[in-house]
Amino acid sequence: GAVVSQHPSRVICKSGTSVKIECRSLDFQATTMFWYRQFPKQSLMLMATSNEGSKATYEQGVEKDKFLINHASLTLSTLTVTSAHPEDSSFYICSAIAGGLETQYFGPGTRLLVL
Amino acid sequence: AQSVAQPEDQVNVAEGNPLTVKCTYSVSGNPYLFWYVQYPNRGLQFLLKYITGDNLVKGSYGFEAEFNKSQTSFHLKKPSALVSDSALYFCAVRDAGNTPLVFGKGTRLSVIA
Repeated sequence: GAVVSQHPSRVICKSGTSVKIECRSLDFQATTMFWYRQFPKQSLMLMATSNEGSKATYEQGVEKDKFLINHASLTLSTLTVTSAHPEDSSFYICSAIAGGLETQYFGPGTRLLVL
Repeated sequence: AQSVAQPEDQVNVAEGNPLTVKCTYSVSGNPYLFWYVQYPNRGLQFLLKYITGDNLVKGSYGFEAEFNKSQTSFHLKKPSALVSDSALYFCAVRDAGNTPLVFGKGTRLSVIA
């Protein structure tokens, strides 16, 4: 199957700093990428949908100025958590889909801990 | 609006016994149905999907799922469970096109030796 990578896999940062998470599709071109957030023992919550070359579409309740998404190429999307606070600590997972295909492939996730 | 229900938070099964993880869905059009598995501190791994065609879908690691339109169900099954199948399983649905998946809340499967 298709491979999606995320970097970093784990990050610890101080409150007030910004953190960038990268999501890459390694062996296919992803026309659309999705960013999810998962709290412990809970399901995935969709944060935003990112299409290459256009602005991301954010789900209701997700602050677009806090969670900046850039999908500059067909293989890379980035999520920047700006001015992170402890409540932003979570597991962030990206997924990617190629045009015309049905299956979303997921990255391994990034665990963010804000102190 | 699409939705997915996984009625069981936890399923326990003895190794070698058959397992079933339940999923029902609600979608306005024809459903695209998926099962994913998540191991601790890992992302989601794709298991299988139903788009069209045969109602019985076979996927990775010996898992299969049956699409039942009348009952709007897509239960995940395996004839003989392994301890290594212990993980968190998510059912998901979406419409056609590049729309995002809507996930169920997950079912934790525990296979006991």
